[in-house]
Amino acid sequence: EAQVTQNPRYLITVTGKKLTVTCSQNMNHEYMSWYRQDPGLGLRQIYYSMNVEVTDKGDVPEGYKVSRKEKRNFPLILESPSPNQTSLYFCASSLSPDSLGEKLFFGSGTQLSVL
Amino acid sequence: DQQVKQNSPSLSVQEGRISILNCDYTNSMFDYFLWYKKYPAEGPTFLISISSIKDKNEDGRFTVFLNKSAKHLSLHIVPSQPGDSAVYFCEVRGAQKLVFGQGTRLTINP
Repeated sequence: EAQVTQNPRYLITVTGKKLTVTCSQNMNHEYMSWYRQDPGLGLRQIYYSMNVEVTDKGDVPEGYKVSRKEKRNFPLILESPSPNQTSLYFCASSLSPDSLGEKLFFGSGTQLSVL
Repeated sequence: DQQVKQNSPSLSVQEGRISILNCDYTNSMFDYFLWYKKYPAEGPTFLISISSIKDKNEDGRFTVFLNKSAKHLSLHIVPSQPGDSAVYFCEVRGAQKLVFGQGTRLTINP
């Protein structure tokens, strides 16, 4: 089954404790991206990757890191989480960034709480 | 600055009637437009899309209209069904940039 898998689904942590949210897709997609969803703000892009070893900042990259060492994986790293990073996070992928209008496939989300 | 706005945070519609969800954008560089639907505890799923060369695209009960001069798109659902109750996000794209709206929570009442 074609899917984007995020782990964990729920995560509670404390300020400053490094964490990683994993994302994997099995569709051989070139484009992968991370979003956070906050009330009243919709989905905001954190980072995206056009292909392996190619990553770029989205609209809200501060406090986050990503890496794309393999095509299928795109982990989101919070080196020193803070309470304002409490949010619902989604990973997404699509076939090719050059194909206009390729729809995004989303994971099920990771609810992160930073105390 | 909010480049994409969905001005109605929520909308309530009676079953069988038409639901109309709206999305406004500010930048004319956007040339592809998509709608996603999101149920609780799930990720958004693609619903329908339209490119800037068209003004209408239809898929079953769902129709998306694009008014480029007004920088406005809308999603029509007719007839509305209880399973349509969800949050709907518009997404606009152009020049390798992608922006989502804030979402509209649609509730279909029996």
